Amino acid sequence: NAGVTQTPKFQVLKTGQSMTLQCAQDMNHNSMYWYRQDPGMGLRLIYYSASEGTTDKGEVPNGYNVSRLNKREFSLRLESAAPSQTSVYFCASSDKGFWGLAYEQYFGPGTRLTVT
Amino acid sequence: EDKVVQSPLSLVVHEGDTVTLNCSYEVTNFRSLLWYKQEKKAPTFLFMLTSSGIEKKSGRLSSILDKKELFSILNITATQTGDSAVYLCAVEAESSSNTGKLIFGQGTTLQVKP
Repeated sequence: NAGVTQTPKFQVLKTGQSMTLQCAQDMNHNSMYWYRQDPGMGLRLIYYSASEGTTDKGEVPNGYNVSRLNKREFSLRLESAAPSQTSVYFCASSDKGFWGLAYEQYFGPGTRLTVT
Repeated sequence: EDKVVQSPLSLVVHEGDTVTLNCSYEVTNFRSLLWYKQEKKAPTFLFMLTSSGIEKKSGRLSSILDKKELFSILNITATQTGDSAVYLCAVEAESSSNTGKLIFGQGTTLQVKP
């Protein structure tokens, strides 16, 4: 089991360029998430997908779009990158446990994105 | 607005010391609280707490939840340099609409010196 994989690991973009961050999980989880992590701010949720075919905004969705391609894959797209989107991006997946409580989220290794 | 606040934000100790990390929360209809450890890369799961007063323990780490006072603590005894990491607290709330969505605190950066 690879768990949660993300590509690329590093990326440098110029302002205005677009790119897609890829995420895949092999644990048959229903829910998938995209976070960004900035110094001193913990993890902030960008978008999530509670199940295949559904996506919803998180805390900081502006400037991003997502696609839940199938149960395994959840991609994050930056249409026109801005320096404020310089961050480390984590993808995560989880499932629901007994009594509907959240199970732990499993995280990918992260993508370090710099926008100049 | 749901929020999770951790303290202290950073901490420097020496090997062998005991540390206590704090996490307080204000959320609508609390469901569970989770602790994660983050070294250089992805956060890894430590504990999930749902019931007040029941301690979860794993080796030198332990955690307890107080649902009346809305906080949790993470204790690390006999610290080692390998405990150096960012410790993240996260809460699942009813407002998450059964999505498993978590609200994270800012994290506590722990440095353990030899």
